[in-house]
Amino acid sequence: EAGVAQSPRYKIIEKRQSVAFWCNPISGHATLYWYQQILGQGPKLLIQFQNNGVVDDSQLPKDRFSAERLKGVDSTLKIQPAKLEDSAVYLCASSRRQGNEKLFFGSGTQLSVL
Amino acid sequence: DQQVKQNSPSLSVQEGRISILNCDYTNSMFDYFLWYKKYPAEGPTFLISISSIKDKNEDGRFTVFLNKSAKHLSLHIVPSQPGDSAVYFCAAGLISSGSARQLTFGSGTQLTVLP
Repeated sequence: EAGVAQSPRYKIIEKRQSVAFWCNPISGHATLYWYQQILGQGPKLLIQFQNNGVVDDSQLPKDRFSAERLKGVDSTLKIQPAKLEDSAVYLCASSRRQGNEKLFFGSGTQLSVL
Repeated sequence: DQQVKQNSPSLSVQEGRISILNCDYTNSMFDYFLWYKKYPAEGPTFLISISSIKDKNEDGRFTVFLNKSAKHLSLHIVPSQPGDSAVYFCAAGLISSGSARQLTFGSGTQLTVLP
């Protein structure tokens, strides 16, 4: 079974620029997550989708971050405008169903904001 | 406020010996606990989990122990192998809204198994 696909692998931008990350979850997985992992810390949940609906976005900085999951498959996470503190690895994960904690993670996008 | 803590950033163990990774949590509402393993340039992969109604779960060389009174869990790897060298994250799950369970991760422990 193909894993969670993410692109790009790396991204370098200047502060105040915008950036977008793409994720394609494992086929058939209803639940999709975006996590932010700052160097030296564990992953922190930004947003959780169940199919194409948002289940939890309580930790998403909504003034600059947005995410969508059109048609309940692929997802895009956008940052606009970026700040220095947004430098992190952005991980996408999926699971078969809501409440299933066995998450399958992609390799992540390493974002550097200069 | 760090609800899940891994106080040892690194651990070195000789091949064939036991590796013990520790994790402490503060929120007594957590009802599910997991360990993930992460190699460089890869995403975390699920390793083993335990429900709060149990105190031990075993899968091959990996055993997770849960001490609810101490709010402490540990991962035992026996015997340790060089391929086990990775960053290990513990995570705790809590029902947040409806049936959604949010995971809170610790900061990770880098395990190095020396040949």
